[in-house]
Amino acid sequence: EAGVAQSPRYKIIEKRQSVAFWCNPISGHATLYWYQQILGQGPKLLIQFQNNGVVDDSQLPKDRFSAERLKGVDSTLKIQPAKLEDSAVYLCASSQGHGTGANVLTFGAGSRLTVL
Amino acid sequence: DAKTTQPNSMESNEEEPVHLPCNHSTISGTDYIHWYRQLPSQGPEYVIHGLTSNVNNRMASLAIAEDRKSSTLILHRATLRDAAVYYCILRWAGNMLTFGGGTRLMVKP
Repeated sequence: EAGVAQSPRYKIIEKRQSVAFWCNPISGHATLYWYQQILGQGPKLLIQFQNNGVVDDSQLPKDRFSAERLKGVDSTLKIQPAKLEDSAVYLCASSQGHGTGANVLTFGAGSRLTVL
Repeated sequence: DAKTTQPNSMESNEEEPVHLPCNHSTISGTDYIHWYRQLPSQGPEYVIHGLTSNVNNRMASLAIAEDRKSSTLILHRATLRDAAVYYCILRWAGNMLTFGGGTRLMVKP
């Protein structure tokens, strides 16, 4: 099966500019996650969708970050305006559901953001 | 949230078995034990998971202590391609996958 697709792979922007990342999950996966991974740290969950509804966005900095999953398939994560500390890899993952602790996540390769 | 404790780093020789430990003393009865690994410049990759019994798959084995307060990921013959950060994570129904710092495994030729 095709994996989780993410684009762009790399993005360099100036601070205060905006950026958007796109994710296409595995076909049929109802749950989609966005993680932020700062260099040297483990990934941190930003937002979790179940179909097109938000399950958890408690760690999303809502003053500058937004995410949507229209039609319950693709998702977009936007940062506006970007800060230097937003430099990180943004990882998208998907799973078949979230109703059991046995669900396995499949991750994309990530989008690396550098803010200058 | 139930937490896990792993060594920051471990070293292994190529073609030898590797035992990666994980302590999770506050685990509850419905927590699954998941292991993911992250190779350089890639997203995390699922390795194995279990609830109470030991588990085997083509990548690794998972040995779970009888009291479930610890587990060990076993790579039977380490290769250079197994050099990665290995994350031990507890997961229950509906919750997010919460990553800690993981164990950086270095494999020497």
